Amino acid sequence: NAGVTQTPKFQVLKTGQSMTLQCAQDMNHEYMSWYRQDPGMGLRLIHYSVGAGITDQGEVPNGYNVSRSTTEDFPLRLLSAAPSQTSVYFCASSYTARQGNTGELFFGEGSRLTVL
Amino acid sequence: AQSVSQHNHHVILSEAASLELGCNYSYGGTVNLFWYVQYPGQHLQLLLKYFSGDPLVKGIKGFEAEFIKSKFSFNLRKPSVQWSDTAEYFCAVSRYSSASKIIFGSGTRLSIRP
Repeated sequence: NAGVTQTPKFQVLKTGQSMTLQCAQDMNHEYMSWYRQDPGMGLRLIHYSVGAGITDQGEVPNGYNVSRSTTEDFPLRLLSAAPSQTSVYFCASSYTARQGNTGELFFGEGSRLTVL
Repeated sequence: AQSVSQHNHHVILSEAASLELGCNYSYGGTVNLFWYVQYPGQHLQLLLKYFSGDPLVKGIKGFEAEFIKSKFSFNLRKPSVQWSDTAEYFCAVSRYSSASKIIFGSGTRLSIRP
């Protein structure tokens, strides 16, 4: 069982470049989410989804786009990268209450992004 | 919207000392509460969770937490810490609903002196 897979693990961008962080899970989780982790700030929710075709904003959505065309995949897009987006990004998934929610988020290994 | 406060940013203890990390949340309705741990170089993993029932919840590795509704608190405790407990600890909350986002606190870094 692969769990939650994130790619790439490391990425360096120049200001203004675009990129997509990929996230895939093989546990049939309806809930998927993206967080960014910054020192002293904890994990802040960027966007989340409770099923294919359904997405919603989290605490810090500006500068990021998401889509959810399948249950398995939840990519995070940076359309025009800024230095303030330098961070470690985590994708996480879980069952929803409809699926018999265990409440446990399963995290990917993280993607370290540097914007110069 | 729900939010979580962890007031201890860095806690330093000696081995065998007792631990209590504070967590307060703000949301007037029914909530689910969690503690996650992040060991150095690893991703987050669940320590324990509270959905309903007994407000004293026991988790892995000897950790426990108590939900006090009147204080909007969910503090994490361990009677005797070990060097291997060195990690960052995150409290999290979600609304009790079918489709709800999970919000994390800013984390508490725990350092254990051998």
